[in-house]
This record gives sequence, C-alpha cells and structure tokens, in this order.
Amino acid sequence: DTAVSQTPKYLVTQMGNDKSIKCEQNLGHDTMYWYKQDSKKFLKIMFSYNNKELIINETVPNRFSPKSPDKAHLNLHINSLELGDSAVYFCASSRIGGGTTEAFFGQGTRLTVV
Amino acid sequence: SQQGEEDPQALSIQEGENATMNCSYKTSINNLQWYRQNSGRGLVHLILIRSNEREKHSGRLRVTLDTSKKSSSLLITASRAADTASYFCATGKETSGSRLTFGEGTQLTVNP
Repeated sequence: DTAVSQTPKYLVTQMGNDKSIKCEQNLGHDTMYWYKQDSKKFLKIMFSYNNKELIINETVPNRFSPKSPDKAHLNLHINSLELGDSAVYFCASSRIGGGTTEAFFGQGTRLTVV
Repeated sequence: SQQGEEDPQALSIQEGENATMNCSYKTSINNLQWYRQNSGRGLVHLILIRSNEREKHSGRLRVTLDTSKKSSSLLITASRAADTASYFCATGKETSGSRLTFGEGTQLTVNP
C-alpha cells in the first residue's frame, strides 16, 4: 500500500483554470504538508496542517487554498492558474510536526500551465 | 541564501567510488535529515541525525554533523549506479512551526 498518495500525477491545464490536487496518507500521521519544487529542484514549503488545523501558511498567493477534511487528507485547490504555477507539488506527512521526525513524501504532481 | 545549502551542486563518479556531499545551514536546529530523490519521483528519507549526535551510520551511508560549523556531510561508500539521484539535506527545528527546510540538493551521477 502506498503510504502517501497524491492524484493526479500529471496535470496540464490552461491559464485561468481552477484545479485541485488530492493527497491521502495511510500512516496515521498527525501532520501533513504541501511543498512546491521548482525547475531548479528547490523545495519550498507552502502549507502545514496538524490534525486538520493550519499551522504554516507561507507567503503563497491567495489563489492557493488547502483543505483538510480529516487528518488523513490534505487537498490543494488552485484558482486562476498562472504560467508561474508550473512546478511539481509534493504532499508529505510526518508523525509529529516541528521537523522532528522523518517526512514521507508522495510521488508528486507535475503541474504544467499553458 | 537558503537554510541548507548543498555542496557540490553536481557530482559524477565511477561505480565503486565513494561520494561525499556537504550541507551547510544558518540557524540552530533540532535535527538534520538527508533525503534522496530519483528522477521523476518523490523524496525518500535516508537518515536523521539529532543535534546532540556527531555521526550516524546506516548501511553504506555515513552522516556527520558539526553544529559548531553548522554543517553536515553525507558519505555514500562503494557507490552503485542505482545511487544516481538528487540528494537533499533538510533541517528541522521545533520552533519553526512544523516544517523541514530543504537545501538546494546535490545531483549525484554514478557511472557504471
């Protein structure tokens, strides 16, 4: 069974569209994250949730909105997509937060905005 | 510049050789972790070293941590072609609000 799964794996869409990426973890972890990896492979945290509560909300545009219906799921909705949103988005989870334990990553969603 | 900077950015070696990657960071930490990312895949955790530890081993991996110099190194011994990947260091700190801060990565290529 995949520990952290995110769908879709690839997403190609036009500018101005709204899209969602879903993430689920079956590890029983309390903390989940969204990271963005740019073309230079730099990973930057976007959001962190602990038990459905938003802990970190980095300076990302308001067009990005995370939703955590339960502690096993953390979805990312993006409104009015722009060319600069093209990147690979990774969902991750960890047993506890604070960067104190290892994080488990999903396979990534490669978003291409055309 | 970023918390967590890897050096070198790219490393190419022959199978059987050892590979050493370095990471420097700027603020105090609780732990430092190393991750591997194969092309087109997610990150996989390799090893975690706590701030009160100086060295840790896991199979062919050896990690050192020097908190006075704010630096860490990852040594992969007897490298294999399958070790070809990007390697990232990440720092964790309890007061950082549930985040791991990643470096820019080292691209390791092991030639058969």
